[in-house]
Amino acid sequence: KAGVTQTPRYLIKTRGQQVTLSCSPISGHRSVSWYQQTPGQGLQFLFEYFSETQRNKGNFPGRFSGRQFSNSRSEMNVSTLELGDSALYLCASSLFENTGELFFGEGSRLTVL
Amino acid sequence: GENVEQHPSTLSVQEGDSAVIKCTYSDSASNYFPWYKQELGKRPQLIIDIRSNVGEKKDQRIAVTLNKTAKHFSLHITETQPEDSAVYFCAAIDSNSGYALNFGKGTSLLVTP
Repeated sequence: KAGVTQTPRYLIKTRGQQVTLSCSPISGHRSVSWYQQTPGQGLQFLFEYFSETQRNKGNFPGRFSGRQFSNSRSEMNVSTLELGDSALYLCASSLFENTGELFFGEGSRLTVL
Repeated sequence: GENVEQHPSTLSVQEGDSAVIKCTYSDSASNYFPWYKQELGKRPQLIIDIRSNVGEKKDQRIAVTLNKTAKHFSLHITETQPEDSAVYFCAAIDSNSGYALNFGKGTSLLVTP
């Protein structure tokens, strides 16, 4: 069974641009969540989707948004990029609705210049 | 929201010694407490988890203890090996509120031969 797939793996943007990251969960997993990982802050929760509904949102500005499609694939978008948005963005999926193992993708490394 | 604090941020032990990482949480409704291990350049992976109705759980050389009254939980690694070197993240969640893991900031464990 294929794992969680994230694209693109690496990208470089400039301030003010916007970016869209994609995540394909493990087949059968309906819960998808996104995390931002930075050296100083660890893993910070962005948002979580289940059956196309956003159930939770972390403490990030409105520039960060996401969605989930009917096939459970998810995208997250960051608009008006800032230097501080440079990070590894990790997507994770879970078989269960609210517990159990999270399976992480390899992440999308975003660099904002 | 839930706030998880993790200590220490770095830990160095000699091979064969034990390592203990401690976490505290703020939301008394939290009922699921996983631990993730992230090796350098790799994705986080679940190593052990515990639910609020259990005080201790063991899996070979690793164990987790939970004190709900004090709102803290700990990871214990015995007979450490160099391959245990990684960053360890604790997390807590109220699973009745969806799947939004609140992670601690991580502990970088170094096991020296």
